[in-house]
Amino acid sequence: GQNIDQPTEMTATEGAIVQINCTYQTSGFNGLFWYQQHAGEAPTFLSYNVLDGLEEKGRFSSFLSRSKGYSYLLLKELQMKDSASYLCAVRDRDYQLIWGAGTKLIIKP
Amino acid sequence: IAGITQAPTSQILAAGRRMTLRCTQDMRHNAMYWYRQDLGLGLRLIHYSNTAGTTGKGEVPDGYSVSRANTDDFPLTLASAVPSQTSVYFCASSERGDFNYGYTFGSGTRLTVV
Repeated sequence: GQNIDQPTEMTATEGAIVQINCTYQTSGFNGLFWYQQHAGEAPTFLSYNVLDGLEEKGRFSSFLSRSKGYSYLLLKELQMKDSASYLCAVRDRDYQLIWGAGTKLIIKP
Repeated sequence: IAGITQAPTSQILAAGRRMTLRCTQDMRHNAMYWYRQDLGLGLRLIHYSNTAGTTGKGEVPDGYSVSRANTDDFPLTLASAVPSQTSVYFCASSERGDFNYGYTFGSGTRLTVV
């Protein structure tokens, strides 16, 4: 079967750095996505990785290792507004997105 | 309209009733999707449509049906609602022509079946 694993919940301090990990086992691989979802709202696109390595977008970076079936989302200079759930999703060989259950990130002052 | 519009925003529905959740996009995306999101389970695909006139079953299609008469609209119908269909429903769209396409989501419909 196909599986995406991420921690259920993480806590971090405002101004700090946090890394959210995602491991996957899927039927084929055609890219990995990270989405942010604030409580009661729709998911919004953060990043996309298809090749190994680090993609940086401002305070957010996403890393991929296809051989290890592993990705992480790195959030720097945390702000209170970063409190949200972060969803990892992998596009399989049929170009369908397989979603993780999400990681709830709590930011404390 | 900008992006994807879903209606209604929320609904309380009696078990056994029929209901259609509406989804309209104005981005001319060719692919559209219906997901349900339940606590601790993540997003699960109900049905999808790669282009107007075609539909396919996702991971949890039972009890739901869809149609795609044109590019913009993708309604989801619950023929006879059951309490296990209580969930938040998201409609999404994407442009399959773009290699790194992401999905754009509607704001969701919170459905409670009692």
